[in-house]
Amino acid sequence: KNEVEQSPQNLTAQEGEFITINCSYSVGISALHWLQQHPGGGIVSLFMLSSGKKKHGRLIATINIQEKHSSLHITASHPRDSAVYICAVKYSGGGADGLTFGKGTHLIIQP
Amino acid sequence: ETGVTQTPRHLVMGMTNKKSLKCEQHLGHNAMYWYKQSAKKPLELMFVYNFKEQTENNSVPSRFSPECPNSSHLFLHLHTLQPEDSALYLCASSQEAGSIAEAFFGQGTRLTVV
Repeated sequence: KNEVEQSPQNLTAQEGEFITINCSYSVGISALHWLQQHPGGGIVSLFMLSSGKKKHGRLIATINIQEKHSSLHITASHPRDSAVYICAVKYSGGGADGLTFGKGTHLIIQP
Repeated sequence: ETGVTQTPRHLVMGMTNKKSLKCEQHLGHNAMYWYKQSAKKPLELMFVYNFKEQTENNSVPSRFSPECPNSSHLFLHLHTLQPEDSALYLCASSQEAGSIAEAFFGQGTRLTVV
């Protein structure tokens, strides 16, 4: 079974800390997504990666295709970054949607 | 605001009720999706519509019935649900199904079956 593993499941940190969330997957992919879900439920797409590294503001996402691993970093974390961060992959040869999701990392940033 | 609007935001229904969830997007996307998010579980794909045609039904029980009258609207009709169907139901859209383009998600409908 193709699975997406995220770590940690829960993370509490102080404002200003550097945050790293990890995602591992089992077989070849064509793309990896990082999503953010706030307590209200709505999901926002943060990044879509197929190789290398992307940066948007204080968020950085990297992917290592050989190691089947991606990381999401948050610099100078802020309480408004508190959310669930979800990793999703599109496996090569997947179906119409073909996204497989991780269970998410619940991040709390304390002031 | 992502451009994908779901109504209602919250719904409580009995097991004998019939209700419908609605999703609307005016992003010009041609693919729309229903996902289920249960507590402590990953998002699960339920249905995919591409250019108004259902292209994927991920082994979803028949008590969930999707409808896509046009590329901008997607419904999920619910009848004789079970308490274990209580979950957050999320709608998403993307330019086309099968592409790796970015998907836009709605806020979700929090469904409670009593």
